[in-house]
Formats: sequence, structure tokens, C-alpha cells
Amino acid sequence: GENVEQHPSTLSVQEGDSAVIKCTYSDSASNYFPWYKQELGKRPQLIIDIRSNVGEKKDQRIAVTLNKTAKHFSLHITETQPEDSAVYFCAATDSWGKLQFGAGTQVVVTP
Amino acid sequence: NAGVTQTPKFQVLKTGQSMTLQCAQDMNHEYMSWYRQDPGMGLRLIHYSVGAGITDQGEVPNGYNVSRSTTEDFPLRLLSAAPSQTSVYFCASSSEGGRKTQYFGPGTRLLVL
Repeated sequence: GENVEQHPSTLSVQEGDSAVIKCTYSDSASNYFPWYKQELGKRPQLIIDIRSNVGEKKDQRIAVTLNKTAKHFSLHITETQPEDSAVYFCAATDSWGKLQFGAGTQVVVTP
Repeated sequence: NAGVTQTPKFQVLKTGQSMTLQCAQDMNHEYMSWYRQDPGMGLRLIHYSVGAGITDQGEVPNGYNVSRSTTEDFPLRLLSAAPSQTSVYFCASSSEGGRKTQYFGPGTRLLVL
């Protein structure tokens, strides 16, 4: 089955700096890669996703890149703000259509 | 729309007790799933359903049962609770399995003593 690895597990950044979270996946048939944000005590919510026919997608300060050859995808947050502090999960859909999540990255943005 | 709802919000059980976690959605989604969330382990799929009457196992199904008699409801049953089942449980629904946005419920925090 699909295996998704996510790094780093914690990331501390200064407000205004950029944050990058990287994920790798194992199933070459995976074609959908969403990112979820979970604030403390809340439910995970989708922030951005990318499909395998696209190499990059951007939404304001958030961007995701996908390298299918290397089976890597990354989340980039620019001009970080305190409200970006949360746990971020990457995920990949396996060949059966099930979503496999990474272990999560705790992002802390310090003023 | 209420989206995805879960009850209870918090539950304490003793080892060996049984209980049912309720999940309902009002978005007419065919796909529903249950995840458990443990520190450092992300969200792990317990069971899922692609429509009424159809369920299947996920990554960590042992100790849990599910049924899907209606499109709206997808309850998760713990038959004989164990301390290893202490976790936060999230129900989610989607219009197309794992290939579309998962809408999560607010979660149930379960403590098994």
C-alpha cells in the first residue's frame, strides 16, 4: 500500500519568513495530493491540493509543488503569520482511492 | 448545512466496555470514513464506506466495527474497549473517496482506563 513520509516533524519560523514541508510517497499510481491544516483542538481542514497532471499550484501565500519522477511533493508558505501556527498534514491517494496521511508537521510562527 | 457531526465530544470508558461513536453528514456524500489520530502518527484509516450497505477495512481495523445502513450515518463501534484505543477519532465524508476534499467532523476524544 501507499506509504507517505513527512519532514520535518516540527518547524519553527520567524514571522515573515518562509516555511517548507516536504513529503515523499511510495505508490507510483498516486494521483491526488492534498494538504490539511489542523489548529489546536480543531478538525483538519483542506488548504490546498494538487493532482498529478500539474507540477505546481499556488493560492495566495501557499503553494504546493509535485515531482512525480522523484515521488516528492512540498508545501511552501511565504510571509508566515502567527495564524499559520498549526499542524500540517500531507496526504496521497493510493491506487485504491484511499487517502494515506503523513505523520504531520507542527509549525510554530514566532513574532 | 451542518456538514459532518460527531457525538459524543468526549468519552471515558473502562477496559472491556463497549460503545458506539456516532457520525452523520448532510452533504449527500457517498464516501465516509473513520480515522484515529495519535501523537506523531498522523491520521490512520480505521474503516471506510463507499455507499450505503458497503464497508471495508482501512489500515487499523482491529477492535472496531462499522455499518452503513443509510447514506447519512456511519457509526463506529468499539466492541471491548482497550487502553490502546485511547485516541481522538475523526469521521470524514467526501463526494469521491480519497480523490476529493475530505470534510472532517469535530472529533471524539476517547479515554479508555
